[in-house]
Amino acid sequence: QKEVEQNSGPLSVPEGAIASLNCTYSDRGSQSFFWYRQYSGKSPELIMSIYSNGDKEDGRFTAQLNKASQYVSLLIRDSQPSDSATYLCAVNRRGSYIPTFGRGTSLIVHP
Amino acid sequence: EAGVTQFPSHSVIEKGQTVTLRCDPISGHDNLYWYRRVMGKEIKFLLHFVKESKQDESGMPNNRFLAERTGGTYSTLKVQPAELEDSGVYFCASSQDKNEQYFGPGTRLTVT
Repeated sequence: QKEVEQNSGPLSVPEGAIASLNCTYSDRGSQSFFWYRQYSGKSPELIMSIYSNGDKEDGRFTAQLNKASQYVSLLIRDSQPSDSATYLCAVNRRGSYIPTFGRGTSLIVHP
Repeated sequence: EAGVTQFPSHSVIEKGQTVTLRCDPISGHDNLYWYRRVMGKEIKFLLHFVKESKQDESGMPNNRFLAERTGGTYSTLKVQPAELEDSGVYFCASSQDKNEQYFGPGTRLTVT
């Protein structure tokens, strides 16, 4: 079992829809969770961090964490073509500040 | 504020040659990290500096890789001698808060 798993996609959604990106992790003691956005050929950009169960909202982005299910998700409301990118889930295991990355989910928002 | 910068952006070398990658972190960030992404795989941690000291180098694949951060500013990652499996994108990241890291654009290394 991979430490951090993501569906590679691509996930294709129409402009204006909600994009839902999912991630599961294997270490139950993990404490910090991050979503990075990476455009092709560019650096991963941190867009959300979440540390406790529940939802965290920032603009059009909502991160959701469920530690009991070992599941973290990212919702993008009112998706725009400019949101088309690869979204990387990263998880810090308990006692570690080094993120373990998933392979990323490719999101395509079509007009 | 300038972000993390890396040089070169691309490097193509032959097997057995030496390559040195450079990373300039965000000014004031004591924490500097190196990562690598091999094609088709996830980003993997290589090592972590706090100022000029190596805090964690558990991800370094073997002794052909040498990282330095003299003076606690920029860092270099040298691969000597390079092998075919060293090909990939090498990312550098820096942070003030250990939890939130800011990545550079990466160096794409191709070993032929």
